[in-house]
Amino acid sequence: GESVGLHLPTLSVQEGDNSIINCAYSNSASDYFIWYKQESGKGPQFIIDIRSNMDKRQGQRVTVLLNKTVKHLSLQIAATQPGDSAVYFCAENIAGSARQLTFGSGTQLTVLP
Amino acid sequence: GAVVSQHPSWVICKSGTSVKIECRSLDFQATTMFWYRQFPKQSLMLMATSNEGSKATYEQGVEKDKFLINHASLTLSTLTVTSAHPEDSSFYICSAKGQGDYGYTFGSGTRLTVV
Repeated sequence: GESVGLHLPTLSVQEGDNSIINCAYSNSASDYFIWYKQESGKGPQFIIDIRSNMDKRQGQRVTVLLNKTVKHLSLQIAATQPGDSAVYFCAENIAGSARQLTFGSGTQLTVLP
Repeated sequence: GAVVSQHPSWVICKSGTSVKIECRSLDFQATTMFWYRQFPKQSLMLMATSNEGSKATYEQGVEKDKFLINHASLTLSTLTVTSAHPEDSSFYICSAKGQGDYGYTFGSGTRLTVV
């Protein structure tokens, strides 16, 4: 079936550098996307979202880019900090569905001192 | 902001017993709640979707008689793992959504270990 997937399962960055986490989705009917951060033993924490009528959205130190042409989503974290170390998931929601989210496979981000 | 409280945070039970997990929306009415299961180093897999006052809709491969979901009020949903077996050991996470918005709020998860 269609699913959301990630290009890189692990990512290590130096503290202070920028991080880019990528996500590919295959369902063209998806109209809403969310990035979550999950720390060990905890539930997902909302980071930023974007609707399909947008191609970029910025938050505090984070930016999400959406390329509907190639069905690609990315999360950019500026000036990565040790507290950013976690697993990051993208999730998609399909228009007209029961609004459940489909999660990607996740990327483990490790921030090196 | 919206808060979802999930209890217990962890539980250990013997094979064959049942375990109930509660998910409460503390400051909003959750018209829809979702239950996920997550195995180590894997993603969240949707188990079922429940709307207040209605029967839950289960994903393919999820046994509805084994994973009983009750969504009796707009602020509470429960997941009962019946006759638990070691292979049911996992991290269970609930999510709640209010009416008419895109917001999804997740609980903190329940680590279930069946021995």
